[in-house]
Amino acid sequence: GQQVMQIPQYQHVQEGEDFTTYCNSSTTLSNIQWYKQRPGGHPVFLIQLVKSGEVKKQKRLTFQFGEAKKNSSLHITATQTTDVGTYFCAGRQKAGNMLTFGGGTRLMVKP
Amino acid sequence: EAQVTQNPRYLITVTGKKLTVTCSQNMNHEYMSWYRQDPGLGLRQIYYSMNVEVTDKGDVPEGYKVSRKEKRNFPLILESPSPNQTSLYFCASRERATYNEQFFGPGTRLTVL
Repeated sequence: GQQVMQIPQYQHVQEGEDFTTYCNSSTTLSNIQWYKQRPGGHPVFLIQLVKSGEVKKQKRLTFQFGEAKKNSSLHITATQTTDVGTYFCAGRQKAGNMLTFGGGTRLMVKP
Repeated sequence: EAQVTQNPRYLITVTGKKLTVTCSQNMNHEYMSWYRQDPGLGLRQIYYSMNVEVTDKGDVPEGYKVSRKEKRNFPLILESPSPNQTSLYFCASRERATYNEQFFGPGTRLTVL
């Protein structure tokens, strides 16, 4: 079945440093979504990428979808303590209705 | 307020005692699903439902049942819970299977002794 791998599993950064998490799928995806889960909270939808090579920005967050639609990344510029949480990617196969989630990257930011 | 609700939020039970976790959404969404979250494994889909009376297995359906008799409700049933079902469970919904944004409930932390 489809597998979605996400690295790194954990990342400690100093406030103000940049952060990137990477997502790789074993199969070509129809689209990929990103979610953020604050400690003790539930996942919250951030964005969806659909097109090959697509890049989207939300303030300090930049999301990319690979040309082959098998990988994606989330980059945060100048992290803040409010960025703390676990970031998940979730991919949907072309012929499926299920979202397969990556294992998540837990971001910790030191003030 | 548009939301997904789950009950109970916390539950400690014993092996073999049947339990139901309820899930309800007020957004008239067609698609609903259940996930379990375990450390290092992310969110794994248990069951999903494309619409009323239409359900299908996800990646980890063993030991679980679901039903979708009404559009707004999607209960998760554990007929004979076992300790390996100790986990954090999330219900989620979205407008349609192919629609992007998925809304998650607050989660149910289940411990099976």
